[in-house]
Amino acid sequence: EAAVTQSPRNKVAVTGGKVTLSCNQTNNHNNMYWYRQDTGHGLRLIHYSYGAGSTEKGDIPDGYKASRPSQENFSLILELATPSQTSVYFCASGDLQGDAEQFFGPGTRLTVL
Amino acid sequence: QQQVRQSSQSLTVWEGETAILNCSYENSAFDYFPWYQQFPGEGPALLIAIRSVSDKKEDGRFTIFFNKREKNLSLHIKDSQPGDSATYFCAASGTNAYKVIFGKGTHLHVLP
Repeated sequence: EAAVTQSPRNKVAVTGGKVTLSCNQTNNHNNMYWYRQDTGHGLRLIHYSYGAGSTEKGDIPDGYKASRPSQENFSLILELATPSQTSVYFCASGDLQGDAEQFFGPGTRLTVL
Repeated sequence: QQQVRQSSQSLTVWEGETAILNCSYENSAFDYFPWYQQFPGEGPALLIAIRSVSDKKEDGRFTIFFNKREKNLSLHIKDSQPGDSATYFCAASGTNAYKVIFGKGTHLHVLP
């Protein structure tokens, strides 16, 4: 059974609209991460969290907010979506240290028109 | 500034050959180097990893060769199979770091 799930799997949004991407993990990991994947850029870290109630900025946080209401759930919020945010978004969970394996979800394909 | 660099965006080999994927890094504080494998439509998954105290890590057909002095490493896939066709990400982190730095990925095509 998948330990990291994401919803929705596909989303089409309009420019200026609000988008919320959700992630749930059953690994009981403290750390969770949001990445976006674009051709030519690989995986880029948007936000991450050490545990419930914490969110930290990653390498490309502009235009995104994050929320970690519980150990299991981590959301990525686009308050005012723009076409440049069209991408595939991955959530991951991992243990405390950076040298621990990260477990990725299946991804959400977001298209902003 | 790209901290983890993969030398090839794409690599094509024939079935049975050894595929070699190269990676270099800039930060001397990195001491853990995982390689992730990603199939189309899926999230990346850890394939094999090495710590900087070692110069080689082997797991079946997959081997990492690591050169700390030169700050580079390579993933060798022996006897490549069409099922190995995927994107491979080289990554790096420090022992006490909370995040992993990923390279841009190498798309491997194994032709039958």
